Amino acid sequence: KQEVTQIPAALSVPEGENLVLNCSFTDSAIYNLQWFRQDPGKGLTSLLLIQSSQREQTSGRLNASLDKSSGRSTLYIAASQPGDSATYLCAVMTTDSWGKLQFGAGTQVVVTP
Amino acid sequence: DARVTQTPRHKVTEMGQEVTMRCQPILGHNTVFWYRQTMMQGLELLAYFRNRAPLDDSGMPKDRFSAEMPDATLATLKIQPSEPRDSAVYFCASGLQGAYEQYFGPGTRLTVT
Repeated sequence: KQEVTQIPAALSVPEGENLVLNCSFTDSAIYNLQWFRQDPGKGLTSLLLIQSSQREQTSGRLNASLDKSSGRSTLYIAASQPGDSATYLCAVMTTDSWGKLQFGAGTQVVVTP
Repeated sequence: DARVTQTPRHKVTEMGQEVTMRCQPILGHNTVFWYRQTMMQGLELLAYFRNRAPLDDSGMPKDRFSAEMPDATLATLKIQPSEPRDSAVYFCASGLQGAYEQYFGPGTRLTVT
């Protein structure tokens, strides 16, 4: 059974520092890995989706890498801002269950001004 | 601005009562997902539909939960009878068949006393 782990569970950084969030998964047979952002009391917003054949995806200040063989993904957020404060979740879609996302527990990020 | 909508946003009910949560997927999306989020278990997939037909409801307690799509613009999740352990945030998400992206609604926060 796929297990998705996110470390650390919480992170606090001063504004301007780069953020590094980690996600690991146990079953490398995946279609894709996605990173989501969740603000308090709100739903999830998709940030980046990396297909299993890709090594990384970039969107603005965000960059996500994927090493499928080692079961790891890293989300980098450059030059953090207070508006980046949120919980970040990673989710994988395994090849034996198309459409079903298996989520990690999330990393709660606080960026202090 | 196409969004998934969910009603109600908050629901407080007493144990034993019936609860119905509603979701309106993004127009044109033919795949609908129901998730539950708790502090202990994180985000879990309860069920999902494609073209209004249930594809997988293995994550759902069958004895008290039921999910339906009466038409393409409405998905419902019903709990009868509700129990305190059902207290959680329930999210609906929608997507297009063959596409990996899922678009989440704002959630229904359910409290069962």
